[in-house]
Amino acid sequence: AQSVTQPDIHITVSEGASLELRCNYSYGATPYLFWYVQSPGQGLQLLLKYFSGDTLVQGIKGFEAEFKRSQSSFNLRKPSVHWSDAAEYFCAVGVYNQGGKLIFGQGTELSVKP
Amino acid sequence: EAGVAQSPRYKIIEKRQSVAFWCNPISGHATLYWYQQILGQGPKLLIQFQNNGVVDDSQLPKDRFSAERLKGVDSTLKIQPAKLEDSAVYLCASSLVGLAGALTDTQYFGPGTRLTVL
Repeated sequence: AQSVTQPDIHITVSEGASLELRCNYSYGATPYLFWYVQSPGQGLQLLLKYFSGDTLVQGIKGFEAEFKRSQSSFNLRKPSVHWSDAAEYFCAVGVYNQGGKLIFGQGTELSVKP
Repeated sequence: EAGVAQSPRYKIIEKRQSVAFWCNPISGHATLYWYQQILGQGPKLLIQFQNNGVVDDSQLPKDRFSAERLKGVDSTLKIQPAKLEDSAVYLCASSLVGLAGALTDTQYFGPGTRLTVL
């Protein structure tokens, strides 16, 4: 069965420091992978997505993610975190034989300290 | 461009009562999704519509949950009767295209309805 694991429930980084959020997936075919961000009281916003091609994907707000098939991972990175990046981040895998269904991980909450 | 609208934003009810949520997707979007997000978990798909037809409702607890999308635009999700474990945020999302491109197309999420069942 398809699944997504985000091993870190909560991460705290200092403003200006680099960030890496981990995501591992289980899927029997080439995955469609997504990262979403959810700020308090807001809906989810798409940061970036991977379907094929270049394994390093650029997204909005300075985020990038790298698809590593050998590790079944799709980690999210940002070189310098801003206080406004504090939010919850969700990794998801798309199931393309079920009409675009997304399976989400449990999320990683990011706190940014001054 | 207006986003996905949901109402109400918050709802508090007692167990065994009924509740309904409303979603207005982005204009022209063919596909509409309802997700349930329990505190501390990622969203879980409850039901997916393409226009006014159901694509996937495999995780919808059909003994108490129902959903409809009349005329392929607005949608309502109803819970009757509610249980304590239904306390969650209910998210509506929409995407532009139909099944063939649904996965590659971006899903746009509304702000959600936070339901508390006492």
